[in-house]
Amino acid sequence: EAQVTQNPRYLITVTGKKLTVTCSQNMNHEYMSWYRQDPGLGLRQIYYSMNVEVTDKGDVPEGYKVSRKEKRNFPLILESPSPNQTSLYFCASRIQWDRLTEAFFGQGTRLTVV
Amino acid sequence: DAKTTQPPSMDCAEGRAANLPCNHSTISGNEYVYWYRQIHSQGPQYIIHGLKNNETNEMASLIITEDRKSSTLILPHATLRDTAVYYCIVRGAGGGADGLTFGKGTHLIIQP
Repeated sequence: EAQVTQNPRYLITVTGKKLTVTCSQNMNHEYMSWYRQDPGLGLRQIYYSMNVEVTDKGDVPEGYKVSRKEKRNFPLILESPSPNQTSLYFCASRIQWDRLTEAFFGQGTRLTVV
Repeated sequence: DAKTTQPPSMDCAEGRAANLPCNHSTISGNEYVYWYRQIHSQGPQYIIHGLKNNETNEMASLIITEDRKSSTLILPHATLRDTAVYYCIVRGAGGGADGLTFGKGTHLIIQP
């Protein structure tokens, strides 16, 4: 089954403790992206990658890092999480870089930073 | 990308057709209309998209007016599992940041 898989689904952590949220897709998609969703603010793009070893900042990249060492994986790294990074996070992939292609989303990771 | 306007919420009886409107009066000639939905805190799901002609797939139909300033998403036989927030988005071609912002959308509630 074609899918985007995020782990973990739920995470509670303390301020300053480094964490990684994994994202993997099995569709051989070139484009991958991370978003956060907050009440009243909609979905906001954090980082995106148009292909292996190519990453770029989205609208809200501060406090986050990403890497794209292989096509299927696109982990999101929070080096020193803070409470304002408490949010619902989604990973998504598209077959290629063109915005007109359909985006496939993961099931989300609900992160709480205390 | 052009701005869209949707009603904040709608009700529909189970088994009936759900018609969700979207206004996009500033759409330009090369921009497409996309619909996604999000079932409570799950990942958004693509539904359908179109440029100017009406489109149909296994999930829904998309009717775009001739002047392209508005469109309607039709779920022909709504079920309880169709209860979700539906987002209408207008997008042009291009790469880079994709601007999928999913603002407020329409909260569709299917009543038994």
